[in-house]
Amino acid sequence: ETGVTQTPRHLVMGMTNKKSLKCEQHLGHNAMYWYKQSAKKPLELMFVYNFKEQTENNSVPSRFSPECPNSSHLFLHLHTLQPEDSALYLCASSETGRGYTFGSGTRLTVV
Amino acid sequence: AQKITQTQPGMFVQEKEAVTLDCTYDTSDPSYGLFWYKQPSSGEMIFLIYQGSYDQQNATEGRYSLNFQKARKSANLVISASQLGDSAMYFCAMREGKGGGSNYKLTFGKGTLLTVNP
Repeated sequence: ETGVTQTPRHLVMGMTNKKSLKCEQHLGHNAMYWYKQSAKKPLELMFVYNFKEQTENNSVPSRFSPECPNSSHLFLHLHTLQPEDSALYLCASSETGRGYTFGSGTRLTVV
Repeated sequence: AQKITQTQPGMFVQEKEAVTLDCTYDTSDPSYGLFWYKQPSSGEMIFLIYQGSYDQQNATEGRYSLNFQKARKSANLVISASQLGDSAMYFCAMREGKGGGSNYKLTFGKGTLLTVNP
């Protein structure tokens, strides 16, 4: 148990489907993040939320739609994805400047 | 230009030996932090060690130590007495600025895949 829980662990979806990824943290952190990890690429920051407010959108396509209803929960809504969106999606939270706590990720395959 | 460079795509080490994973960084900010994370095949990113730019001594955490050479802008991770469970991807990351508060960004390198042989 890392304190950051992501569900589902694996997801296969068609390009016309709509699905959501969920992230929950039990650490009392105020900031939450979505990262994308594609094969042979560095982790790419997608979104940052601080005290439930979105503070960064790193030029992410609109087919990815984040939602942060409170400081403990973060969602990533997916619709009309492309095969190149297949990746590991990692959620993280933070409180101080010394490091993130990551979840185990959702491995997404778009078919 | 890449902010974090890890030049070793893969490394091999014998069990019980030490191994050094390389990381160089690029920043003009005088205040920054350097991190190492481990990612096993399960996908989770596990925090290993942190070094602040103003820290006078190299960081150590159990079998992990960070060889911080500020003038060279390098922050190599040293793992002593390697274990089979150390086989994983290792990522170097940097936070620019003072941090603090709860909202900050990390920039990651491409990672090094470490394989520990029995």
